[in-house]
Amino acid sequence: KNQVEQSPQSLIILEGKNCTLQCNYTVSPFSNLRWYKQDTGRGPVSLTIMTFSENTKSNGRYTATLDADTKQSSLHITASQLSDSASYICVVIRRENTDKLIFGTGTRLQVFP
Amino acid sequence: DSGVTQTPKHLITATGQRVTLRCSPRSGDLSVYWYQQSLDQGLQFLIQYYNGEERAKGNILERFSAQQFPDLHSELNLSSLELGDSALYFCASNRGGGPNEQFFGPGTRLTVL
Repeated sequence: KNQVEQSPQSLIILEGKNCTLQCNYTVSPFSNLRWYKQDTGRGPVSLTIMTFSENTKSNGRYTATLDADTKQSSLHITASQLSDSASYICVVIRRENTDKLIFGTGTRLQVFP
Repeated sequence: DSGVTQTPKHLITATGQRVTLRCSPRSGDLSVYWYQQSLDQGLQFLIQYYNGEERAKGNILERFSAQQFPDLHSELNLSSLELGDSALYFCASNRGGGPNEQFFGPGTRLTVL
């Protein structure tokens, strides 16, 4: 079954600290993996898109890694800011149907001062 | 601002009623996707339209239907509403026809009383 699982479910950190969010997937055949940031009550916004051949991709303080062999991805946030408080969603796309996104349930991150 | 617009922002109605949610995709985008996000749950894909034609179906109930008009805007019709239909409904768009990034609208929050 094509699934995307994320951990932890929720995370609380202090402003300025780093954190890492995990994503494991069983989706096959794999096309690409995306991390989205979703502020409460708003639409998701894409942070990174990674294809099979990419191991790491950065977007400012966000760095995503991908291990296609173990089917794991991580999103590392450096020097967290209060505005990083949001849900972070891992999304995997199958090669056979690149229009259909398979969503993880997300990690809710709260950054406190 | 993703360029995708959705109306209305909020909708409160009673069980058994019918509502219509509207989405205007980004300029030039041919594909429109509808998603449902219930409280504290992940995004569930409902349906996709590409250039006026239904392209893919997800977990869409028979009470729900959608269409895409010649000007490419889309409407999601929800009928015989139940309490469990209360959720955020997101529309996303992209050029379609491949693993292009989807751009999400701000969502419509539906509350069924």
